[in-house]
Parts: sequence; structure tokens; C-alpha cells
Amino acid sequence: DTGVSQDPRHKITKRGQNVTFRCDPISEHNRLYWYRQTLGQGPEFLTYFQNEAQLEKSRLLSDRFSAERPKGSFSTLEIQRTEQGDSAMYLCASSLGGQSYGYTFGSGTRLTVV
Amino acid sequence: TQLLEQSPQFLSIQEGENLTVYCNSSSVFSSLQWYRQEPGEGPVLLVTVVTGGEVKKLKRLTFQFGDARKDSSLHITAAQPGDTGLYLCAKTGNQFYFGTGTSLTVIP
Repeated sequence: DTGVSQDPRHKITKRGQNVTFRCDPISEHNRLYWYRQTLGQGPEFLTYFQNEAQLEKSRLLSDRFSAERPKGSFSTLEIQRTEQGDSAMYLCASSLGGQSYGYTFGSGTRLTVV
Repeated sequence: TQLLEQSPQFLSIQEGENLTVYCNSSSVFSSLQWYRQEPGEGPVLLVTVVTGGEVKKLKRLTFQFGDARKDSSLHITAAQPGDTGLYLCAKTGNQFYFGTGTSLTVIP
């Protein structure tokens, strides 16, 4: 197992375009999380899944954001009608579940909206 | 939002010096984790602390959980350039809340 994979690593898009990111978690991990991080700040929670169920969404996740994990394995995060304020690092993490387990993070997708 | 404050926000020291960074909350942690993040990468878990007053050591890093489980500290002895990075504390739960981070630069 190579850990948590995110694709693409970098994405530059024009304002108003839609973008989709993919995350492949560690295979035996049932929980998958999406976070957003801006430069010099800690990650901010966006949403998480237990298996295929999306259990919680942050208020940061506006109507333009949607996340799916259709088969309880990989997940996608889509941003519609991107805005310059969406520019950030989008991090995916997975865990076995339960707060005693740590997260394993991917390397992130760096989004730049121009 | 459960606010976790970390201090200092930035720290630049010479190789060989010691340093301490802090993580504070107004509410009690059930458990807390420390992560280190290098530029362009995701955070990597360093340690989990669970019991009030707990002290854990990881080579030159010493982690302490406050008795009241509202605060934690990370002490690095004889810092090395490889310690450079963003140090994050995280309050555990169904989803983790991360602190604001301490950006450490160790100058050779």
C-alpha cells in the first residue's frame, strides 16, 4: 500500500470553471476526510465519510462544493464555478476510524484559480 | 468551530538550540495529536497523547499533555535543520480540529 494518493497534485483553472479532485485512501481505512489549507494555516475540516456515507459537512462547504465516495473506496471533491477564494491546498486523509487513530494524509492538490 | 491556539506562530532558531511550542484550548481534549508538515506535503502524525499529565518522547522531541487536558507542549532539544516545518496540534473527535500551526525554521 502506497498510502493516500491525491490527483492531480496541482491544478490551475480560470475563475468560473469546474474542477474535480480525486483521493484514493489506504484500502483498509473506512474513514475518509477532506480538508482545505491556506498558506501558513492549519487544515480546515470540509467533510468526512464513513464507508460510502457522508456523515458531516462543514459550513465551509458551500453549495458549489460536493464530495462523493460512491463505493466506499476512492472519493472525489468537485468545486463548481470556482472563485479566487477557492485557491488553497485540498488535503485528503484516511483513518481506521475512532479518535485514537491518527490520520494518514495525502500530499494534497494545490488549486490556483486565476 | 473549536479554536486551538498555537504559539508562537513563527519561530526561527539556530541549529543546536532548544525550543518549545504550545497548543491551547478553552475546552478539554479527549485526546490530542501532533503533526509535522513539510512544504508541499500533507501533515504526518508524530504522536497521540490521551492521559492528563502524559509525557511522550520521540528521539529529541518531548510531548506533554496538560493535567487538565486543555493544553499541550512540544519541546525539541538540539534542533536540526531537518526539524524545519509546520507543527500542528489537532483535537481528536469524529473529525479533527487543527490548530493554527507553528512554522519552525532551523538555520544551519
